[in-house]
Amino acid sequence: AQSVTQLDSHVSVSEGTPVLLRCNYSSSYSPSLFWYVQHPNKGLQLLLKYTSAATLVKGINGFEAEFKKSETSFHLTKPSAHMSDAAEYFCVVSDLKGTYKYIFGTGTRLKVLA
Amino acid sequence: GAGVSQSPSNKVTEKGKDVELRCDPISGHTALYWYRQSLGQGLEFLIYFQGNSAPDKSGLPSDRFSAERTGGSVSTLTIQRTQQEDSAVYLCASSLARAGEGYGYTFGSGTRLTVV
Repeated sequence: AQSVTQLDSHVSVSEGTPVLLRCNYSSSYSPSLFWYVQHPNKGLQLLLKYTSAATLVKGINGFEAEFKKSETSFHLTKPSAHMSDAAEYFCVVSDLKGTYKYIFGTGTRLKVLA
Repeated sequence: GAGVSQSPSNKVTEKGKDVELRCDPISGHTALYWYRQSLGQGLEFLIYFQGNSAPDKSGLPSDRFSAERTGGSVSTLTIQRTQQEDSAVYLCASSLARAGEGYGYTFGSGTRLTVV
């Protein structure tokens, strides 16, 4: 069965410092992986996706993630945090069998300090 | 439309009443998914539609929950005899073909259901 584990439920960073949100996945075959962001009272927005092309994936708003098969990880990074990055972030693995439904991680709430 | 539209955005209902939640996907998106986001439970898959058929209903929590999709477009999620544990944000998403093929989903803003 597919699953994702987000290792931190809360992360706090100062504005202008790097962001690292950690995600490990479990999959019996080559997965499709996604990061979504949810701002307060807003819908889920796709940040980036990995679908077996380049292992370093660039997304919107300066975020990127690297797929590391040996470590079964798909960590999300950004070189310099902005106040507007404060939100909840979800790592997602897609079930590739039939329905392609998403299996969500439990989320990481990012706080950006001025 | 330009995005996935859900209505109502908020719904407060009395325990025991039935509710209908509507999702209007992006035009041309054949795949439609319902998820539930509740405190302490994260995001749970409910049901998947491909066109008008639902090949995966495995996430529906009980027989009080049902969903349909008509014309390959609008979907309605119905909860009968609502219970307090049904309180959550119900999210709809649509996708061109199948999300695992790399398109990703587009989510609606959700319906916040509160059962009192």
